[in-house]
Amino acid sequence: SQTIHQWPATLVQPVGSPLSLECTVEGTSNPNLYWYRQAAGRGLQLLFYSIGIDQISSEVPQNLSASRPQDRQFILSSKKLLLSDSGFYLCAWSVSERNTEAFFGQGTRLTVV
Amino acid sequence: RKEVEQDPGPFNVPEGATVAFNCTYSNSASQSFFWYRQDCRKEPKLLMSVYSSGNEDGRFTAQLNRASQYISLLIRDSKLSDSATYLCVVNVLDGSYKLIFGSGTRLLVRP
Repeated sequence: SQTIHQWPATLVQPVGSPLSLECTVEGTSNPNLYWYRQAAGRGLQLLFYSIGIDQISSEVPQNLSASRPQDRQFILSSKKLLLSDSGFYLCAWSVSERNTEAFFGQGTRLTVV
Repeated sequence: RKEVEQDPGPFNVPEGATVAFNCTYSNSASQSFFWYRQDCRKEPKLLMSVYSSGNEDGRFTAQLNRASQYISLLIRDSKLSDSATYLCVVNVLDGSYKLIFGSGTRLLVRP
């Protein structure tokens, strides 16, 4: 069966520090991968999605970047965090080339102080 | 205009009530549709897919109107455990498939 791992679960980082969140998927190959952010009390905002290695689309201009160094690994990064980067970050995967649902990791709650 | 719009609520209903949520989407390239449930401080989880002919899963009924670009979720005989945020999700074909989430509708079921 497929599983998705996302870590860490919580993170407190100072303004200006770098960020690296990692997500890996097991039990499937060539998945579509997604990074979402959810601000407190708000909906999910799609940040990045990827249909393959080094094929990443950015949805909104921001202080973040994403990379996919391996087929089932998706990394969200920032060189210098801003206070506004605080939120609940969720990684998800779906079956590629099909219009199916997505499955989420447990999320990382990031607080920038 | 948001791609997927939902009434944020909250909907505050007594146990046993029937409650309906609506959702509209703007992108005519939308291919498939889902309802997710999100509990407080947790990740969203798939509740059910939405099919053109409408579909039912126990107390939950989902319907799709492609002409009006409208999706609905009906919950019958509400339970306390149904309290959560319900997210409308649209899968858009834009080169590849990407999932766009509504902001969610919050449901509170009271004893």
